[in-house]
Amino acid sequence: QVQLQQSGPGLVEPSETLSLTCTVSGMSVSSGDYAWTWIRQPPGKGLEWLGHVHYTGNTNYNPSFKNRVTISIDTSKKYFSLKVNSVTAADTAFYYCARGLGGSDVYWFDPWGQGTQVTV
Amino acid sequence: SYVVTQPPSVSVAPGWTATFTCGGDNIGTKRVNWYQQRPGQAPLLVIYYDSDRPSGIPERFSGSNSGNTATLTISRVETGDEADYYCQVWDSSSDHPVFGGGTKLTVL
Repeated sequence: QVQLQQSGPGLVEPSETLSLTCTVSGMSVSSGDYAWTWIRQPPGKGLEWLGHVHYTGNTNYNPSFKNRVTISIDTSKKYFSLKVNSVTAADTAFYYCARGLGGSDVYWFDPWGQGTQVTV
Repeated sequence: SYVVTQPPSVSVAPGWTATFTCGGDNIGTKRVNWYQQRPGQAPLLVIYYDSDRPSGIPERFSGSNSGNTATLTISRVETGDEADYYCQVWDSSSDHPVFGGGTKLTVL
């Protein structure tokens, strides 16, 4: 059974960098063409895709974040990471990691990490 | 970019059928996925590829997609189904996923 476990601080100072890690168990992040994904949810609002990384290191980001987001993967250590720099109060949200399955033009997300509440 | 629209709320009595819609321009040409998010929990995939159910999801959950509307149906609704439900598609023009705003299910 694939599980995603998130870790990282819940409080970040304005203008600093938010850093979260998602550790994958039950499979290798190097197997298959999955999109290792970060999604966030501001308080009381809906889901917002931040971006994803493939095991090759190829990434795809939400252009709304104007290069503030970096997602990386460490295949040897079985985790992938999120960094959001120059954070403001608007970055306060629950952050989720998830595995993206499917393929070209058809991705769904399963499973999800437990979520991390980040306050700026 | 592509936009999907969900009504903000749906209410239904236990044992009845709840229907959630997800509207978008020719959404029937896309593959729609649905997630359940109970209060304080992470989202859970309940339908993928329009109508497929992941392992462990009850048969009471079903999906369809045609024209400009995709639909998630929950039959024989239970109090435990009370949650927010989000639809999601892949926007090939921008090469990223798009989520609907979510529909809150209240079980009366």
